[in-house]
Amino acid sequence: GENVEQHPSTLSVQEGDSAVIKCTYSDSASNYFPWYKQELGKRPQLIIDIRSNVGEKKDQRIAVTLNKTAKHFSLHITETQPEDSAVYFCAASVSNTGNQFYFGTGTSLTVIP
Amino acid sequence: EAGVAQSPRYKIIEKRQSVAFWCNPISGHATLYWYQQILGQGPKLLIQFQNNGVVDDSQLPKDRFSAERLKGVDSTLKIQPAKLEDSAVYLCASSLSLAGSMTQYFGPGTRLLVL
Repeated sequence: GENVEQHPSTLSVQEGDSAVIKCTYSDSASNYFPWYKQELGKRPQLIIDIRSNVGEKKDQRIAVTLNKTAKHFSLHITETQPEDSAVYFCAASVSNTGNQFYFGTGTSLTVIP
Repeated sequence: EAGVAQSPRYKIIEKRQSVAFWCNPISGHATLYWYQQILGQGPKLLIQFQNNGVVDDSQLPKDRFSAERLKGVDSTLKIQPAKLEDSAVYLCASSLSLAGSMTQYFGPGTRLLVL
């Protein structure tokens, strides 16, 4: 089955700096890559996603890039704010196998004011 | 639009006891997922339903875990008997269908502590 690895496990940045979280996947058939943000004690919430026919996608301060050849994708947060502090999970999915998501182990991001 | 509802939010039991969790997906969502999230890890899929049928339960420890979605709406996940290593957050999620690239919406989870 699919194996998703995520790095780093913890990340601290100064407010206003950028944060980058990287994920690799093993199944070359994976074609959908969502990113979820989970604040302490709350439910995971989708913040951005990318499909394999696209190399990059942006939404305000958040962007995701995908390199299908290398089988890795990354989350980029610019101009970080304290409210960006949370655990971020990447996931990979193979669309023709029922939309099952395989999650990474998470990155705990702390934005220092 | 109401989100995915779960209950209870917290549960503390002793090992070898039984426990059940309930999930109500977003209205109209045909696909329902149960995940186990152990502290410090990402969610791991336990079972996936499409309406009232099981799509994938390959990672469900069937000797102690069971789940049902009899009428294709609400779902119940049961653990019997519980072990210490079952301590985790159990997340329910739903999506419109099992078509690829379909957003999954998560409930708040049930935090289980087995003593």
